[in-house]
Amino acid sequence: QLQLQESGPGLVKPSETLSLTCTVSGGSISSSSYYWGWIRQPPGKGLEWIGSMYYSGTTYYNPSLKSRVTISIDTSKNQFSLNLSSVTAADTAVYYCAKGIRFGKLLYHFDYWGQGTLVTVSS
Amino acid sequence: DIQMTQSPSTLSASVGDRVTITCRASQSISSWLAWYQQKPGKAPKLLIYKASSLESGVPSRFSGSGSGTEFTLTISSLQPDDFATYYCQQYNSYFTFGPGTKVDIK
Repeated sequence: QLQLQESGPGLVKPSETLSLTCTVSGGSISSSSYYWGWIRQPPGKGLEWIGSMYYSGTTYYNPSLKSRVTISIDTSKNQFSLNLSSVTAADTAVYYCAKGIRFGKLLYHFDYWGQGTLVTVSS
Repeated sequence: DIQMTQSPSTLSASVGDRVTITCRASQSISSWLAWYQQKPGKAPKLLIYKASSLESGVPSRFSGSGSGTEFTLTISSLQPDDFATYYCQQYNSYFTFGPGTKVDIK
């Protein structure tokens, strides 16, 4: 059974960089059938896709966040990471990592999610 | 960008009711639509993908239909475990979620 677990600081200061890691167990991050993504949810609000990538290094970012987002993958640790720079209070949210189904360059739905981690941006 | 809307935003229903939630896309997304269920403090759970395909392990009382720009999620007989918030998501061009529909107890 594939599992994903987010980790990282729960508190980040304004203007700094938010960094989170997702550890994948029960499956290979290098699988040609998978891709990996980050989604966030501000308290009491809806879901926002941040970005996705797959093992070859191909990345896709939400245009509204693209200038501040970097997603990377570490196949040796079966992990992928999110960096979000120049954060403000508006970036306070529960951050989820997720696995999706991929066929070639086509990215389909997310079928496995981590439990989520709350990141608060505050001085 | 593809925008997603859902209606209603809140739905009050009783156990045993038939429930229908509508999701609309700002442009055609073919059948590239998923539905998720989210309970408070939990991650979203995939229910339906490709508009009408039921995810493994999901009860058959859940069904999805539609294509193009209009989609529906139907719960044929609402169960106590189904009170939750439901999100649609398009994956035709990047990913966009709808604003959610909260199903609560009437």
